[in-house]
Amino acid sequence: KNEVEQSPQNLTAQEGEFITINCSYSVGISALHWLQQHPGGGIVSLFMLSSGKKKHGRLIATINIQEKHSSLHITASHPRDSAVYICAVASNQGAQKLVFGQGTRLTINP
Amino acid sequence: EPEVTQTPSHQVTQMGQEVILRCVPISNHLYFYWYRQILGQKVEFLVSFYNNEISEKSEIFDDQFSVERPDGSNFTLKIRSTKLEDSAMYFCASIRDSNYEQYFGPGTRLTVT
Repeated sequence: KNEVEQSPQNLTAQEGEFITINCSYSVGISALHWLQQHPGGGIVSLFMLSSGKKKHGRLIATINIQEKHSSLHITASHPRDSAVYICAVASNQGAQKLVFGQGTRLTINP
Repeated sequence: EPEVTQTPSHQVTQMGQEVILRCVPISNHLYFYWYRQILGQKVEFLVSFYNNEISEKSEIFDDQFSVERPDGSNFTLKIRSTKLEDSAMYFCASIRDSNYEQYFGPGTRLTVT
């Protein structure tokens, strides 16, 4: 069983729609990261959170530590949001390495 | 804004050859990481480096792999004798301290033929 599971694996939506990507994990963590990977391959950190909720522009990330679950929301989605969104967790033991989910491929059509 | 840089962006090598992938982490960062992503698969942890030594490594990081921080700025990953299955995108990352977000480099695409 994967330590980090994301759903859905693929998501296609129309511009303007509200998007939700989910992440569940099975290990103890010190923090959870949401990352964005564009077609060229580069990875950008969107959020790091260990409790509650964070907001940046149209992006909102929430985490429920008790349920070991996090969600990434995109409001008023736009074609430029099309990318792969990756959930990754930092272990609460050792060197803060990240364990990655398989990613969610998001496509926003105009 | 400071950023992690990696060179080369793309390396093509023949099976059995040695390759060195280079990374320059952000200057005041203390923890350094290498990850890899085989095409179509998820990103995997290879190794972490702190205080001039390996702090953790994965099963993938066998005797063919080594890391070095030779001069206080560069952080290198060496693969001694490349195999076809080493073909992947290799990402370097760094963090300032254990409670900070990781900054990723743009990646080096390694193709082993």
